[in-house]
Amino acid sequence: DGGITQSPKYLFRKEGQNVTLSCEQNLNHDAMYWYRQDPGQGLRLIYYSQIVNDFQKGDIAEGYSVSREKKESFPLTVTSAQKNPTAFYLCASSKRLAGGGTYNEQFFGPGTRLTVL
Amino acid sequence: DQQVKQNSPSLSVQEGRISILNCDYTNSMFDYFLWYKKYPAEGPTFLISISSIKDKNEDGRFTVFLNKSAKHLSLHIVPSQPGDSAVYFCAASEVEYGNKLVFGAGTILRVKS
Repeated sequence: DGGITQSPKYLFRKEGQNVTLSCEQNLNHDAMYWYRQDPGQGLRLIYYSQIVNDFQKGDIAEGYSVSREKKESFPLTVTSAQKNPTAFYLCASSKRLAGGGTYNEQFFGPGTRLTVL
Repeated sequence: DQQVKQNSPSLSVQEGRISILNCDYTNSMFDYFLWYKKYPAEGPTFLISISSIKDKNEDGRFTVFLNKSAKHLSLHIVPSQPGDSAVYFCAASEVEYGNKLVFGAGTILRVKS
């Protein structure tokens, strides 16, 4: 079955620790994204990658880092510099930006809930 | 500054009736709009979309209407079913800037049986 997996589903970390969230997709999508959701708010874009070894900051990249060494994987590291890391994190993927007015919708994983103790 | 706004945090509808979820946007450069449905502790799933060259798109019980002059779109669900109870997110994109989506805060829909 094609899809996006995120692990773990629930994650706890102590304040001051870095933590890495996993995101893997087998949809053969070129583009991948990380979002954060807080209560009563929409999804906010953290980082996105359109191709292997390339990624761009989204709207709230401070305190986060990513890598894209493989097409299938786009891990997100929440660093100790992120001041308010407790949130629900969602990974998504899509076909590569097509241009010419064509839009490719994003498919989401099940999410990881991170709680900082 | 929120570019996509869903001003109703929640909506309650009787089973079988119509549900109307609203979304307003401020960026006139947005040219593609989507609705996603989300259950608790799960990722959003794509529901329906519309390009700015259209004013209506229909898929089964779901219809999205776009009013570009008012910068407003709405999602109609007819008839509403208890399984439709979820959070609905409106999202918008400038296709020129690729697949980046800007999401609204979401509307919780409760369909009562």
